[in-house]
Amino acid sequence: QKEVEQNSGPLSVPEGAIASLNCTYSDRGSQSFFWYRQYSGKSPELIMSIYSNGDKEDGRFTAQLNKASQYVSLLIRDSQPSDSATYLCAVRGTALIFGKGTTLSVSS
Amino acid sequence: DGGITQSPKYLFRKEGQNVTLSCEQNLNHDAMYWYRQDPGQGLRLIYYSQIVNDFQKGDIAEGYSVSREKKESFPLTVTSAQKNPTAFYLCASSTIQGFGGTDTQYFGPGTRLTVL
Repeated sequence: QKEVEQNSGPLSVPEGAIASLNCTYSDRGSQSFFWYRQYSGKSPELIMSIYSNGDKEDGRFTAQLNKASQYVSLLIRDSQPSDSATYLCAVRGTALIFGKGTTLSVSS
Repeated sequence: DGGITQSPKYLFRKEGQNVTLSCEQNLNHDAMYWYRQDPGQGLRLIYYSQIVNDFQKGDIAEGYSVSREKKESFPLTVTSAQKNPTAFYLCASSTIQGFGGTDTQYFGPGTRLTVL
């Protein structure tokens, strides 16, 4: 059974701080990785995708991938209260395999 | 506007009833998916389809059925055999690049089903 693991949180950070969200996956052959943000009662929306080892930056968001350690992370710089949501890590197989998500709370 | 629509937004079902959830996309995507989300849980795959008139079971297909008669449409029926159907149902679509591909899944707004 292919698995994706995330710390459920909640992760609490003050406004302006860096939030670090982590994810591990079990299938060493996985190639494609995604981070989705989900506000309460809403559907997931894509934040970042990453396919190669290293860092990928998009605005305040940086995704990091280490295939040798089977580890994906998402850094959110200058965290804002509007970033408060659940962040889902997903790994592409035939469809997406999701972790249970990490709840982030940013306090002003 | 291109996107994925799901209807209804909220659905109430009595015990023993079958209900059908609608999913339509105008993104010209070949693949479509149904996921179920329970409170505090990630998304679990129910069914997926990569081509018209063909679909595959996901991890939790028991008690559900689907059809794919048109590229744009992928309705999900929750049958009376599904013992615990109360959940948030999400439809998604993507292009197809094969296993491990870089194609991205985009989600509809979801349907919240409650069994009375």
